Amino acid sequence: DVKVTQSSRYLVKRTGEKVFLECVQDMDHENMFWYRQDPGLGLRLIYFSYDVKMKEKGDIPEGYSVSREKKERFSLILESASTNQTSMYLCASKGEPGSYSPLHFGNGTRLTVT
Amino acid sequence: GQNIDQPTEMTATEGAIVQINCTYQTSGFNGLFWYQQHAGEAPTFLSYNVLDGLEEKGRFSSFLSRSKGYSYLLLKELQMKDSASYLCAVSLNTGGFKTIFGAGTRLFVKA
Repeated sequence: DVKVTQSSRYLVKRTGEKVFLECVQDMDHENMFWYRQDPGLGLRLIYFSYDVKMKEKGDIPEGYSVSREKKERFSLILESASTNQTSMYLCASKGEPGSYSPLHFGNGTRLTVT
Repeated sequence: GQNIDQPTEMTATEGAIVQINCTYQTSGFNGLFWYQQHAGEAPTFLSYNVLDGLEEKGRFSSFLSRSKGYSYLLLKELQMKDSASYLCAVSLNTGGFKTIFGAGTRLFVKA
């Protein structure tokens, strides 16, 4: 079974702080994704990566950056946290991109920015 | 632009059948997924359609019509534990094979 682990379940940070959200997967998947989930808006893609050191912007990348130094680890960085980044953040991984391969999600990090 | 629509909420009775619809308009299509998400938990994979037609998996079935940009998830013999959000998602074959989601349908199953 694929396991995707997010380092924190709950996080409270202050406005302006730099925030790191960590995600690790154990299935040697090439593709990893960061989403945020907000009521009424569903899951929105922030960034994704299809290989080590590769990254692509998703639909809402503003205010975020990512790092993929190792295949199993994909980090989301909030350079200067703001209150509108209060949300549930979900990391996911996926096998071959073009084939039948669902996303496997971590349990999420609920981030509150005060 | 990319757009996926599904109803916000539905209510059904235990033992009944419910159909959750999803319409999509996307540039590039590499398959449609349905995920289930219980409150406070991560989404989990339910079904996948890439060709037109019905895919059946136990009490759950999913249908796809690519020409109409339409899918539905059919849940039979509803149980209380089926109360959850159901997420329709499209895998794109453009822009790096990303997956985009609808806002989700919250299903309430009542006794």
